Amino acid sequence: GENVEQHPSTLSVQEGDSAVIKCTYSDSASNYFPWYKQELGKRPQLIIDIRSNVGEKKDQRIAVTLNKTAKHFSLHITETQPEDSAVYFCAASRNGGSQGNLIFGKGTKLSVKP
Amino acid sequence: DADVTQTPRNRITKTGKRIMLECSQTKGHDRMYWYRQDPGLGLRLIYYSFDVKDINKGEISDGYSVSRQAQAKFSLSLESAIPNQTALYFCATSDGGRGNTGELFFGEGSRLTVL
Repeated sequence: GENVEQHPSTLSVQEGDSAVIKCTYSDSASNYFPWYKQELGKRPQLIIDIRSNVGEKKDQRIAVTLNKTAKHFSLHITETQPEDSAVYFCAASRNGGSQGNLIFGKGTKLSVKP
Repeated sequence: DADVTQTPRNRITKTGKRIMLECSQTKGHDRMYWYRQDPGLGLRLIYYSFDVKDINKGEISDGYSVSRQAQAKFSLSLESAIPNQTALYFCATSDGGRGNTGELFFGEGSRLTVL
């Protein structure tokens, strides 16, 4: 069935370093790829998203790249700060349909050490 | 602030009991969703609704039912709870109209424990 694989499951970096999280998806009809951040005990919140007609999108210290041919997309966080510590989830839209009908990856726990 | 509110926030129940989780929103969104979160498994879609008369199954709908009582209210029921339904449940909304960016707005979550 449809699947989103996310790696790594845990990531530890020093403050100021960059962090990269990678996802692959199986549904070739997927056309919307959001990233959500979930701080401990909090609700997930959208941090950035990308649509299939775009290869890269950037918002300050975060960027997302999409390779539709290879069916993979990545989140890049530069100049990491302790407040970036959280669980990050990638997702892909299901069957090319509703953007809210998402298949989520299993998450990456990012720890940024001061 | 417009928000998504879930009740109860925490619930402990016994196997076989009927449980209802409720969600209400003041965002004016037409689309509502129920997701389940388990440690190490991410978020999985249970049911979603685009309108009061529209109900759709997600990837893990077995053992659950939903009711969209009004545009602002979407409830999730477990008719006969079992221990593997122990999880954190999130309600979410999105704007299907002109303001549609695809963003999901999550509630604070309802932690359910089935003994």
